[in-house]
Amino acid sequence: QKEVEQNSGPLSVPEGAIASLNCTYSDRGSQSFFWYRQYSGKSPELIMSIYSNGDKEDGRFTAQLNKASQYVSLLIRDSQPSDSATYLCAVNIRGRGSTLGRLYFGRGTQLTVWP
Amino acid sequence: DAGITQSPRHKVTETGTPVTLRCHQTENHRYMYWYRQDPGHGLRLIHYSYGVKDTDKGEVSDGYSVSRSKTEDFLLTLESATSSQTSVYFCAISAGTSGLDGEQYFGPGTRLTVT
Repeated sequence: QKEVEQNSGPLSVPEGAIASLNCTYSDRGSQSFFWYRQYSGKSPELIMSIYSNGDKEDGRFTAQLNKASQYVSLLIRDSQPSDSATYLCAVNIRGRGSTLGRLYFGRGTQLTVWP
Repeated sequence: DAGITQSPRHKVTETGTPVTLRCHQTENHRYMYWYRQDPGHGLRLIHYSYGVKDTDKGEVSDGYSVSRSKTEDFLLTLESATSSQTSVYFCAISAGTSGLDGEQYFGPGTRLTVT
């Protein structure tokens, strides 16, 4: 099992819809969770951080974390064509027998929002 | 790009030649990272640094070395470039308070082609 897995996509939604992006992770002790947006040919850009169970909202973006289910998601409300990008999930994963962790990234989900 | 520059931005080199990529930051952040991004693999950590002259290996370090002689600069060297090292290379930084598993900010990337 890979450390961080995302639904492979691609995901296509109409403008104005809610886009739902999902991510699961392997380390039950993970404490830090991030969503990055990456436009084609560009570098990843941090858009959300979440550390506690529940929802965290920032504008049209909502991150949801469920540590018991080892699941983190990103909802994009009122999706716009400018949201079309690849979304990367990143989770801190501890090394075997270690309390220290580092970030592991999922392979990303490509989102297309059509007008 | 959070005060991070990478040079060169594009490079084509021949198999067997050494190549050095440079990452420069103006944020005075403690942690610096080198990743490669390939289709189907996502972002993979090559090496990271937790201070001047303090570096460690990531998950795909074979064939790469790094150096950090100043806080602001982190160099990645391909000792003898191979075609399998054709990739996009990203540098990232994070603040000292967040450790290895905190928020990371990415540079613009270097596209390297080994012929």
